[in-house]
Amino acid sequence: SSELTQDPAVSVALGQTVRITCQGDSLRSYYASWYQQKPGQAPVLVIYGKNNRPSGIPDRFSGSSSGNTASLTITGAQAEDEADYYCNSRDSSGDHLVFGGGTKLTVL
Amino acid sequence: EVQLVQSGAEVKKPGESLKISCEGSGYSFTSYWIGWVRQMPGKGLEWMGIIYPGDSDTRYSPSFQGQVTISADKSISTAYLQWSSLKASDTAIYYCVKGSTDWGAFDIWGQGTMVTVSS
Repeated sequence: SSELTQDPAVSVALGQTVRITCQGDSLRSYYASWYQQKPGQAPVLVIYGKNNRPSGIPDRFSGSSSGNTASLTITGAQAEDEADYYCNSRDSSGDHLVFGGGTKLTVL
Repeated sequence: EVQLVQSGAEVKKPGESLKISCEGSGYSFTSYWIGWVRQMPGKGLEWMGIIYPGDSDTRYSPSFQGQVTISADKSISTAYLQWSSLKASDTAIYYCVKGSTDWGAFDIWGQGTMVTVSS
């Protein structure tokens, strides 16, 4: 079982805002990173650290954290944002990494 | 361009050994952690372990400790993941990943290596 918990599926209407969450005790101490994976492709990093976007990631993607919950927010979701999203962070020991179970985002 | 290029797909029988590779280019290979991530068919991502090629410091997920070996040859900017005795349950896509300046964030992913273990 994962130490990071994500909702299995979330949906959003085209152009609306959606928040995908990741819960875990280790998130009280460490930031989460977020990855987007489309079918048949390798994952892509979209958010890391406090709220950093790698080059090429649209600014509609943002990250935040409060208590034991990290969130990925997509403001104005586009059809191309339909994908699986995974969070990762250190585990409770701090010495290892762990992924959340993933959230399937559907854009309606 | 920073990239990780992995070796090709493998089909093996249970009990066989295997070593897959991941070559980094476009950056200082010895200055960033390289990790391995498993994705079983239709499933999520699992962190397996990570190595720092500069000094070969290696960390394993408790779930994979003793099941695989991670190594790196800095002279050829290549990381490896190996099994001594494969099982059918090792069938998966394996991604190598480059750590960013934020330990735990993987900013570059290899294209993945599909490993199929079947009798």
